Amino acid sequence: AQKVTQAQTEISVVEKEDVTLDCVYETRDTTYYLFWYKQPPSGELVFLIRRNSFDEQNEISGRYSWNFQKSTSSFNFTITASQVVDSAVYFCALSEADNTDKLIFGTGTRLQVFP
Amino acid sequence: SAVISQKPSRDICQRGTSLTIQCQVDSQVTMMFWYRQQPGQSLTLIATANQGSEATYESGFVIDKFPISRPNLTFSTLTVSNMSPEDSSIYLCSVDISGFSYNEQFFGPGTRLTVL
Repeated sequence: AQKVTQAQTEISVVEKEDVTLDCVYETRDTTYYLFWYKQPPSGELVFLIRRNSFDEQNEISGRYSWNFQKSTSSFNFTITASQVVDSAVYFCALSEADNTDKLIFGTGTRLQVFP
Repeated sequence: SAVISQKPSRDICQRGTSLTIQCQVDSQVTMMFWYRQQPGQSLTLIATANQGSEATYESGFVIDKFPISRPNLTFSTLTVSNMSPEDSSIYLCSVDISGFSYNEQFFGPGTRLTVL
């Protein structure tokens, strides 16, 4: 069965700290896709990244970086030098090859960055 | 990416009434999706709406409760019928703009529904 676990319900940091959001997934498929979305207080979901299961390269985009480890079924997200504007709920999601349009979301991690 | 708008952005409704939520995209898309996010919870897929065919509903969701229309490639509606307080949620539409093999879903701003 497919499942996404975000064990951290809420994280609080002070500005400029680095923070890592954990995501562990379960799937029987060998082909799948992993996503991160940001949901600021306004409620809109903002797409951050998609990674397919054959691409284990880590990715960096500005202050954001993602660490994909198939051996531990994890797809962790790190924000470097956090800012107040990073405060949001972050969702990790999974879709499988036989139903790529169905996103299975984790329960989300609420990140609060204090000035 | 795609620009997606939803109407209304929020509403407060009485028990037993129905509300139709509209989703408009600025480009033609094959796949549109409706999600529900209950208070403090994650997102759950309600149904997939393809133009010209019946919507496909996920387990736990039925057409009588959540009828969906998809009259063209840029527009869809979701109706929440015979509402109860348990239907209080954020309802989001999303679109896949990249085709079957690539799967990039972009979400609308959501409709925040409160049922009294």
